[in-house]
Amino acid sequence: LAKTTQPISMDSYEGQEVNITCSHNNIATNDYITWYQQFPSQGPRFIIQGYKTKVTNEVASLFIPADRKSSTLSLPRVSLSDTAVYYCLAGTRGYQKVTFGTGTKLQVIP
Amino acid sequence: GAVVSQHPSWVICKSGTSVKIECRSLDFQATTMFWYRQFPKQSLMLMATSNEGSKATYEQGVEKDKFLINHASLTLSTLTVTSAHPEDSSFYICSAKLANQETQYFGPGTRLLVL
Repeated sequence: LAKTTQPISMDSYEGQEVNITCSHNNIATNDYITWYQQFPSQGPRFIIQGYKTKVTNEVASLFIPADRKSSTLSLPRVSLSDTAVYYCLAGTRGYQKVTFGTGTKLQVIP
Repeated sequence: GAVVSQHPSWVICKSGTSVKIECRSLDFQATTMFWYRQFPKQSLMLMATSNEGSKATYEQGVEKDKFLINHASLTLSTLTVTSAHPEDSSFYICSAKLANQETQYFGPGTRLLVL
């Protein structure tokens, strides 16, 4: 299982774009990258998943460079409700388990 | 779609009693369910992996006789904390996934407080 490293915390003003980068230097060929969001006292919520290049959905974009040793979650125009912990995970599709890292605590400031 | 529920959402019990937590996949059949524990201001720690109809696989350091897991159907897994002690107080979260899919869908969590 690939180990992931993220910044412990980030601050951003409301309305700005936020980019959270995750390092996964020992990612395996078959590993996908998945990002989750967790609010206090709630279970994590799936945000986005990708394998390479760029993936976009209605809430975020995920950028993965060619070497796949890192990935960046991009949240456009954050609001106060985006204040949460964001986890980056790397694992093989169909693999039994993943390991949660420390996550990044994003604080959105009015 | 892909909704996972947990019951109860919170529970307070006396030391020495047993507590059962249910995890249900409401709109899909989950071949695999996972149980996590999360202490305040910490990340999720995987406790065990549960496959329907087979024994759970516990992570190192997790006592299988203390944390009993039953995955009797494709939509229900239960975690029983036996002889609970104050140090078992934590936030317990389950997740479920379909076969051949990476994405885990998480339940809302169960807050356990052992007095």
